[in-house]
Amino acid sequence: GESVGLHLPTLSVQEGDNSIINCAYSNSASDYFIWYKQESGKGPQFIIDIRSNMDKRQGQRVTVLLNKTVKHLSLQIAATQPGDSAVYFCAERDTDKLIFGTGTRLQVFP
Amino acid sequence: NAGVTQTPKFQVLKTGQSMTLQCAQDMNHEYMSWYRQDPGMGLRLIHYSVGAGITDQGEVPNGYNVSRSTTEDFPLRLLSAAPSQTSVYFCASSLVLAIYNEQFFGPGTRLTVL
Repeated sequence: GESVGLHLPTLSVQEGDNSIINCAYSNSASDYFIWYKQESGKGPQFIIDIRSNMDKRQGQRVTVLLNKTVKHLSLQIAATQPGDSAVYFCAERDTDKLIFGTGTRLQVFP
Repeated sequence: NAGVTQTPKFQVLKTGQSMTLQCAQDMNHEYMSWYRQDPGMGLRLIHYSVGAGITDQGEVPNGYNVSRSTTEDFPLRLLSAAPSQTSVYFCASSLVLAIYNEQFFGPGTRLTVL
């Protein structure tokens, strides 16, 4: 099986509940932020991004919140489904580079 | 479109051997990058390219070389493999590195160095 993420923080939620995944970023000059989902054995998949001059952006069942004062980003997933089980990463753009956080594993229980 | 393709999927090397990980995209993307992912860690940027003929170093470039002779291809070369390079390697591409320009990842190459 996939060995990546053995020591990742884990969030366990019941199917149908809302999930909130948090991320702290380091560079106050980053101009946009991205959330990725990575399923076992696959590459990361884009979920949603947000520009630094925004506080909130909504997608389909997902909302990203940005708090620049405390350099904090969160991803909210509404009505969590078994298919949402994965590792979630935030990333920030630093000029021509994307810098990734360490990730959070989301486990969804029936 | 095939998207981002990577070869091989799996590779075992002995210490000191060299090899090239291949990455190709058919979306005419200018920006391409290589990451490595180790257990318990996020992705770390090795090298990136903003267009053909242009490459630059990321967070962890030591022991790796890249070139970008065409828009489509961005190979990653390990010059003399070391056990510390055991990892999963991902290639990614996007039109540009900017908001609202989704970055697409390949399926990864799992490399073991003995």
